[in-house]
Parts: sequence; structure tokens; C-alpha cells
Amino acid sequence: GENVEQHPSTLSVQEGDSAVIKCTYSDSASNYFPWYKQELGKRPQLIIDIRSNVGEKKDQRIAVTLNKTAKHFSLHITETQPEDSAVYFCAASVGGSYIPTFGRGTSLIVHP
Amino acid sequence: NAGVTQTPKFQVLKTGQSMTLQCAQDMNHNSMYWYRQDPGMGLRLIYYSASEGTTDKGEVPNGYNVSRLNKREFSLRLESAAPSQTSVYFCASRNRVRTDTQYFGPGTRLTVL
Repeated sequence: GENVEQHPSTLSVQEGDSAVIKCTYSDSASNYFPWYKQELGKRPQLIIDIRSNVGEKKDQRIAVTLNKTAKHFSLHITETQPEDSAVYFCAASVGGSYIPTFGRGTSLIVHP
Repeated sequence: NAGVTQTPKFQVLKTGQSMTLQCAQDMNHNSMYWYRQDPGMGLRLIYYSASEGTTDKGEVPNGYNVSRLNKREFSLRLESAAPSQTSVYFCASRNRVRTDTQYFGPGTRLTVL
């Protein structure tokens, strides 16, 4: 089955800095890659996703890049703010069946 | 439009007790899922239901059973709770036809003593 590795497990940055979280996947058939943000005590919520026919996608301060050859994808957050502090999860799945495999999460801490 | 709802929000059980976690969605989604979340382990799939009338095992199904009661409701049952089942449980749903986005419920925090 699919295996998703996520790094780092903890990321601490100063407000205004950029943050990058990286994930690798094992199944070359995976073609859908969502990212979820989970604030403390809350539910995971989708923040951005990318499909395998696209190399990069942006939405304001967040972007996701995908390298199918290397089987890795990354979340980029620019101009970080304290409200970006949360746990971020990546996931990978094969379209059609959509049984996603999640990474173990990255705890992002943005210091004011 | 409440989205995905779960009951109860918190529960404490003694080892060996049974209970059912309830989940309902009002978005007319076909697929529903149950996950458990443990510190440092991410979200692990327990069971899922691709459509009404079908259920399948996920990564960690042992000790659990599920029922897809109708298109709206998907329940998770612990027949004989064990301390290893202490976790936060999330239900999720997805509109398989239009998007792959999963929508999560607020979670149930379960402690087994």
C-alpha cells in the first residue's frame, strides 16, 4: 500500500518568515495530494490540493509543488503569521478509489 | 447546513464496556470514513463506506465495527473497549462525484480506563 513520509515533525519560524513542509509518497499511481490544517482541538480542514497533472498551485500565501518523478510534494507558506500556527497534514491517494494515506503531521509554530 | 456532526464530543469508558459513536452528514455525500488520531501518528483509517450499503476495512479495523445506516449516517461501534482505543475519533465524508475533498466532523475524544 501507499506510504507517506512527512518532514519535519516540528517547524518553528519567526513571523514573516517562510515555512516549507515536505512529503514523499511511494505509490506512483497516486494522483491526488491534499493538505489539511488542524488547529488545536479542532477538526482537520482542507487548505489546498494538487493533482498529478499540475506541477504547482497557489492560493494567496500558500502554494503546493509536486515532483512526480521524485515522488515528493511540498507545502510553502510565505509571510507566516501567528494564526498559521497549527498541525499540517499531507495526504496521497489514487483517484477513483480515494482512500487517502496521511503523513504523520508537522507542528508549525509561528513566533510573533 | 451543519456539515458533518458527531456525538458524543467526549466519552470515558471502563475496559470491556461498549459504545457507539454516531456520525451524520447533510451534504448528500456518497462516501464516509472513520479515522482515529493519536499523537505523532497522523490520521489512521479504521473503516470506510464508499456508498450506501457498503463498508470496508481500513488500516486499523481490529476491535471496531461499523454500520452505514443510510446515506446520511455512519456509526462506529466498540464492542469491548480497551485502553489502546483511547484516541480522538474523526468522521469524514466526501462527494465522490464532484470533488475529492474530505469534510471532517468535530471529533470525539474517547478515554478508556
